[in-house]
Amino acid sequence: DAGVIQSPRHEVTEMGQEVTLRCKPISGHDYLFWYRQTMMRGLELLIYFNNNVPIDDSGMPEDRFSAKMPNASFSTLKIQPSEPRDSAVYFCASSFWGNTNEKLFFGSGTQLSVL
Amino acid sequence: QKEVEQNSGPLSVPEGAIASLNCTYSDRGSQSFFWYRQYSGKSPELIMFIYSNGDKEDGRFTAQLNKASQYVSLLIRDSQPSDSATYLCAVSSSGYSTLTFGKGTMLLVSP
Repeated sequence: DAGVIQSPRHEVTEMGQEVTLRCKPISGHDYLFWYRQTMMRGLELLIYFNNNVPIDDSGMPEDRFSAKMPNASFSTLKIQPSEPRDSAVYFCASSFWGNTNEKLFFGSGTQLSVL
Repeated sequence: QKEVEQNSGPLSVPEGAIASLNCTYSDRGSQSFFWYRQYSGKSPELIMFIYSNGDKEDGRFTAQLNKASQYVSLLIRDSQPSDSATYLCAVSSSGYSTLTFGKGTMLLVSP
């Protein structure tokens, strides 16, 4: 398996622009997570899905952030409009129910820089 | 608010020594405990998990859990330069719940 695939690896944009991050989870995994990592706040959970349904989006910082999972093999995280404080590494991770060690498989991440 | 606390480091140890990484958590209902390793510029990867009080060994790694003290630790024996990374402690409550991560401890192993 190719693992969790994220794109793009790097994104540089200007304040006010729309940013879309993409994720393909591991086939057969029914949980998908979006995390954000910064030096100041560490790894924070933004939202997670189970069987394509959003379960908890309490970590989404504000209405500028939205996430979708239209099918089992694809998810997007959108920021509109972007701000410099959104600069961070965004990770997508997947897992499956019955995985008793609750192991998360992380993608390579998207390094987002908002100028 | 569930919190997981780690010393940010860096923790510097010479090659061959034992590295001891520590973590405390605030939620007494926590039941599952994990250690992830993250190399610079890479994504986190799971290296150890523990559910019960006591020690769990896997190769050079030992995870220790003390629920009464709300304390988790990771020992790395015979540390190697390739162990230099940031180690993230993660905690979850009963059932399938989301993980809360600490900010991580940077470990530097010098040759």
